[in-house]
Amino acid sequence: GQQVMQIPQYQHVQEGEDFTTYCNSSTTLSNIQWYKQRPGGHPVFLIQLVKSGEVKKQKRLTFQFGEAKKNSSLHITATQTTDVGTYFCAGLWRGNKLVFGAGTILRVKS
Amino acid sequence: DAGVIQSPRHEVTEMGQEVTLRCKPISGHNSLFWYRQTMMRGLELLIYFNNNVPIDDSGMPEDRFSAKMPNASFSTLKIQPSEPRDSAVYFCASSKLLNTEAFFGQGTRLTVV
Repeated sequence: GQQVMQIPQYQHVQEGEDFTTYCNSSTTLSNIQWYKQRPGGHPVFLIQLVKSGEVKKQKRLTFQFGEAKKNSSLHITATQTTDVGTYFCAGLWRGNKLVFGAGTILRVKS
Repeated sequence: DAGVIQSPRHEVTEMGQEVTLRCKPISGHNSLFWYRQTMMRGLELLIYFNNNVPIDDSGMPEDRFSAKMPNASFSTLKIQPSEPRDSAVYFCASSKLLNTEAFFGQGTRLTVV
């Protein structure tokens, strides 16, 4: 079935360090979405990428969509304690089925 | 808008009992999704509706699970009979269109003892 693989599973960083999570699909995606879930909370939409090679920025967050539309990454520059949570990518195929990756848990030490 | 509203927030029930989870999507949204989240399996899509019609229920684990959307403002997910392995957080989400951002409810934490 359609799957998105997400790595790493877990990352613990010192405040001020950078963080990156990666998402891969074996088949071409229509688009990819990124969500953040705080501990005890629900997933909250961050961004959607649609075009091949697309790069979008939100303050310290940079999102990329690969040229082949099979992979994506989220990079956080200079992490802060407010960045803690689980970051999910969610792939959308032509069948319009949004499938979530396993998520990357980010912990930030102050 | 109040966002996606789920009830109850917490449910504790005994094995074998019927459980009904409820969801009110955001007004004007045409797509509704039910997800289940556990530590072991992550966030799994159970079923989704478009314009009140079930489109894909291949994620429903077994016949004990059923979902309905009788109108644009209400959906239910029923488990009958419930089992301990059904314990999880169940999220409902809605979106304007199938390929636009999904808004999640607060979730229902289900514990089956």
